[in-house]
Amino acid sequence: AQSVAQPEDQVNVAEGNPLTVKCTYSVSGNPYLFWYVQYPNRGLQFLLKYITGDNLVKGSYGFEAEFNKSQTSFHLKKPSALVSDSALYFCAVRRGDYKLSFGAGTTVTVRA
Amino acid sequence: EAGVAQSPRYKIIEKRQSVAFWCNPISGHATLYWYQQILGQGPKLLIQFQNNGVVDDSQLPKDRFSAERLKGVDSTLKIQPAKLEDSAVYLCASSRTENTEAFFGQGTRLTVV
Repeated sequence: AQSVAQPEDQVNVAEGNPLTVKCTYSVSGNPYLFWYVQYPNRGLQFLLKYITGDNLVKGSYGFEAEFNKSQTSFHLKKPSALVSDSALYFCAVRRGDYKLSFGAGTTVTVRA
Repeated sequence: EAGVAQSPRYKIIEKRQSVAFWCNPISGHATLYWYQQILGQGPKLLIQFQNNGVVDDSQLPKDRFSAERLKGVDSTLKIQPAKLEDSAVYLCASSRTENTEAFFGQGTRLTVV
């Protein structure tokens, strides 16, 4: 069973506009949630995580994510997107058996 | 702090040949992962180690893939014999514990021809 879903294959925004990348999860118990970014020909870079506590989590490069338990979502956000944010973004969840599972990814394109 | 090291970066082999990948995790990280990432898809977990014990290898094609983690530090992933569909990027990652965030190496791009 899929543990994490990213409903959008692609997100396109203009530079300076808000950016949102969606993620929903389906694990039992309290999830550990993560966002990663991947640039071409590079490994995955860790952006931020939610373990417990405040539902709004701040991470690297001005990104933040909001954990919503009732909607089982963990959307990634950035108030003002940059062209350099264009990349592939992955949501991940650590399940109760400690396996770290990734979504299919969302390609973000920020146009100048 | 040094990151996760992987080698080689690129490898081209013919089908039915064998290949091995090496990973050196971040010092002190107990958990080590091998992922397969096919172009256009998310990473798929092949095997997860906690120290030198296997936590999960349910998606490892055991008839052709094998992995070991020597003394709970370095790890090797082997494919023998390779198939065309094994063409992918193989990512190694490590985390301090099984609950914390994972850090990834740059990956090995395997092309099977």
